Amino acid sequence: DAKTTQPPSMDCAEGRAANLPCNHSTISGNEYVYWYRQIHSQGPQYIIHGLKNNETNEMASLIITEDRKSSTLILPHATLRDTAVYYCIVRVGSHITQGGSEKLVFGKGTKLTVNP
Amino acid sequence: GAGVSQTPSNKVTEKGKYVELRCDPISGHTALYWYRQSLGQGPEFLIYFQGTGAADDSGLPNDRFFAVRPEGSVSTLKIQRTERGDSAVYLCASSKSTDYEQYFGPGTRLTVT
Repeated sequence: DAKTTQPPSMDCAEGRAANLPCNHSTISGNEYVYWYRQIHSQGPQYIIHGLKNNETNEMASLIITEDRKSSTLILPHATLRDTAVYYCIVRVGSHITQGGSEKLVFGKGTKLTVNP
Repeated sequence: GAGVSQTPSNKVTEKGKYVELRCDPISGHTALYWYRQSLGQGPEFLIYFQGTGAADDSGLPNDRFFAVRPEGSVSTLKIQRTERGDSAVYLCASSKSTDYEQYFGPGTRLTVT
């Protein structure tokens, strides 16, 4: 079962920031928070991941609370092409599993609709 | 560079038939995963290969499902005696053994009539 809870849907205006929340209250100390998204009829696409520090890349920013029980994915200037299902996943790092499957356990995600 | 490719993109088969789905991972990626996605659901893990061996096949639903990766690159997912409940999008992903990100292919949409 997925270890995360996300709202089923959200709307955002084009050009505004999209803030997608995720609760992971049972996260362990060695588990990372990953975000993927899936645009309609495509395979999931990696966005960003983090352990405890905030992270930023060319796609998004990830804010993780100090207690690590929740996080927020921020798309700073949403475009119509950002309309997708966004999945928040917690996963043990490969250096911990030492050969484990490192499989991703997906929930139902958040359907983000960016409106013109 | 080239991403993960999957063939065919669509497959329609009759109940009871045998099907093979192919995955070409990113060159140099040693880890390969198969997932299945039903309508309205997130992808569900099926099997994981590290090199040529299936390191974790705990997600395969039953013994009608089998996957191989004989040379540590291309993988084939094989489904025997297909059932209508097998209809789904089958996704393949690959990753570097020491990397954390998985890169997904576009999937194969399987329809069993």
